[in-house]
Amino acid sequence: GAGVSQSPSNKVTEKGKDVELRCDPISGHTALYWYRQRLGQGLEFLIYFQGNSAPDKSGLPSDRFSAERTGESVSTLTIQRTQQEDSAVYLCASSPPGREAGNEQFFGPGTRLTVL
Amino acid sequence: AQSVSQHNHHVILSEAASLELGCNYSYGGTVNLFWYVQYPGQHLQLLLKYFSGDPLVKGIKGFEAEFIKSKFSFNLRKPSVQWSDTAEYFCALILTGGGNKLTFGTGTQLKVEL
Repeated sequence: GAGVSQSPSNKVTEKGKDVELRCDPISGHTALYWYRQRLGQGLEFLIYFQGNSAPDKSGLPSDRFSAERTGESVSTLTIQRTQQEDSAVYLCASSPPGREAGNEQFFGPGTRLTVL
Repeated sequence: AQSVSQHNHHVILSEAASLELGCNYSYGGTVNLFWYVQYPGQHLQLLLKYFSGDPLVKGIKGFEAEFIKSKFSFNLRKPSVQWSDTAEYFCALILTGGGNKLTFGTGTQLKVEL
């Protein structure tokens, strides 16, 4: 079946503009995660949605970052007033329900964001 | 806070050489451990995972990893690498009972030469 998809694949924006990144998880996956990978660094957790529970936003680096998820489907990550340090690859992942199964995360191809 | 260290940032091997990539973590409680791989131009994918039980776990493509609790380590091994193993390898952990967010190491870029 289809994997996790993300759009756009690449986004170039000017400093100070807002951007929206989209993630379509695998159908039936209840959990959805956003990570980012800055050059030369590992992936950093940003936010986690699990079903109808309140999202875990503990990884969002500032209040310029926000994310929403519609039910158990699409999620959008919004970055307001982008800064050059926001340049990174933003990865989305989803995982199926179940305690152990839910620990395997399936990743999308990522969105490469460049802030000029 | 928990962290994952991968000390080898770049590794170059010849085909048929043996591979061991180091991974150490820092956390006093129980963790689940993972190795993910990203082949050139492809998505990040799971290579193997350890939850409990036998500390030697086997994954896809002949990879294995051993969890040594006393050393806080989860090193990845393969007895004989192939050119197609060229990829970036990430070690990661999840805290049991702490939600499902992965904490990743910085990755090891492996290049296998013919």
